[in-house]
Amino acid sequence: AQSVTQLDSQVPVFEEAPVELRCNYSSSVSVYLFWYVQYPNQGLQLLLKYLSGSTLVESINGFEAEFNKSQTSFHLRKPSVHISDTAEYFCAVSSQGGSEKLVFGKGTKLTVNP
Amino acid sequence: NAGVTQTPKFQVLKTGQSMTLQCAQDMNHNSMYWYRQDPGMGLRLIYYSASEGTTDKGEVPNGYNVSRLNKREFSLRLESAAPSQTSVYFCASSVRGLAGVKQFFGPGTRLTVL
Repeated sequence: AQSVTQLDSQVPVFEEAPVELRCNYSSSVSVYLFWYVQYPNQGLQLLLKYLSGSTLVESINGFEAEFNKSQTSFHLRKPSVHISDTAEYFCAVSSQGGSEKLVFGKGTKLTVNP
Repeated sequence: NAGVTQTPKFQVLKTGQSMTLQCAQDMNHNSMYWYRQDPGMGLRLIYYSASEGTTDKGEVPNGYNVSRLNKREFSLRLESAAPSQTSVYFCASSVRGLAGVKQFFGPGTRLTVL
């Protein structure tokens, strides 16, 4: 069985400040890792994913996440946030084989203030 | 290519009423899912279907039934709605390829049970 822990339920930051949203996972098998973003009153969109290879993955809008196997973490970072990054962010894990099911964390609400 | 579509977008029910949430995908995916999203709880899997003709319980199946009508459609039924089922419901479909697992979400159905 897999589980995901998002360590912060809410993260308020000021515009242009750096941000880190933390995610830890637990699994007995090799995993794929994902970050999804949900803007207010919308569905979930894939932000970025780690499958294999380089442990640092990037999205098109400046976010990056680093897979750390020894610490079982997949923290999401952005060096300078914008008001438009205000959203809820979900970390998720799936096994590399077998079921395609995702297990989600409880989410982190990022609020970017002017 | 509409992706994953859900109907209705909003619904208000009285306790004890029944209803069916509809979901369809046009991406020829084998796997489909129903989640509920509640504040502070993230997304919790209600039921999933790994292929046409099969369904399995997820984390929170009580009070729900599902039907995988064909490869495209996966419906969720509330036989006797309860206030605890007030939530936002998301349907999703997924595919596993060379680039790993990709899961696609519908826009959601906001259900209120009075």
